[in-house]
Amino acid sequence: EVQLVEAGGGLVQPGGSLRLSCTASGFTFSSYEMNWVRQAPGKGLEWVSYISSSGRTIYYAGSVRGRFTISRDNAKNSLYLQMNSLRAEDTALYYCARDGLRGFTGYYYMDVWGKGTTVTVSS
Amino acid sequence: EVVLTQSPATLSLSPGERATLSCRASQSVSSYLAWYQQKPGQAPRLLIYDASNRATGIPARFSGSGSGTDFTLTISSLEPEDFAVYYCQQRYNWPPAFGPGTKVDIK
Repeated sequence: EVQLVEAGGGLVQPGGSLRLSCTASGFTFSSYEMNWVRQAPGKGLEWVSYISSSGRTIYYAGSVRGRFTISRDNAKNSLYLQMNSLRAEDTALYYCARDGLRGFTGYYYMDVWGKGTTVTVSS
Repeated sequence: EVVLTQSPATLSLSPGERATLSCRASQSVSSYLAWYQQKPGQAPRLLIYDASNRATGIPARFSGSGSGTDFTLTISSLEPEDFAVYYCQQRYNWPPAFGPGTKVDIK
């Protein structure tokens, strides 16, 4: 079964750090580009970061650039999100999502999602 | 940066009715648009990609149309399991923004 499982969420004080992980199974992780997407309580979806299959190409949303770092370890089938200088507005459910469906246009879409891990930033 | 707007914010309909959801982009995204469904307590699910193609396992009652800046998701006859929030997302350029969502609830 194709699966993504996030972990590492929790309660952290403003200014603190947290490292999220996403473990993949059921597919060849090293062949896929990956994303982090978050959802604040009662709000919509916000794309956070992207990493190519090799790890060489990375993008960030403006709201997290300079504070968050995405990485991956293909040998461990794992995706990571290092979050530093956390703010109250980073409070959200964080999903990892696979860019697995290649459209006819050549672009990829997020076809597999984990259940998410909750990050709460509060004093 | 492309901004997506969705309308209406909430759509109140009865089972069996037709639902028409709109997504508008601030600039052309060609056909590089997806629709996702999210039910309470669940992760989003990909419904439509490249504006009009159904993802694997998605029922035929879901259809997408449009290109450029104006897109539509149509649910031809609402089933009880279709009451959810629907998001559009563009993949034309970075960042791959989502729209704010349309909630389809039971009238």
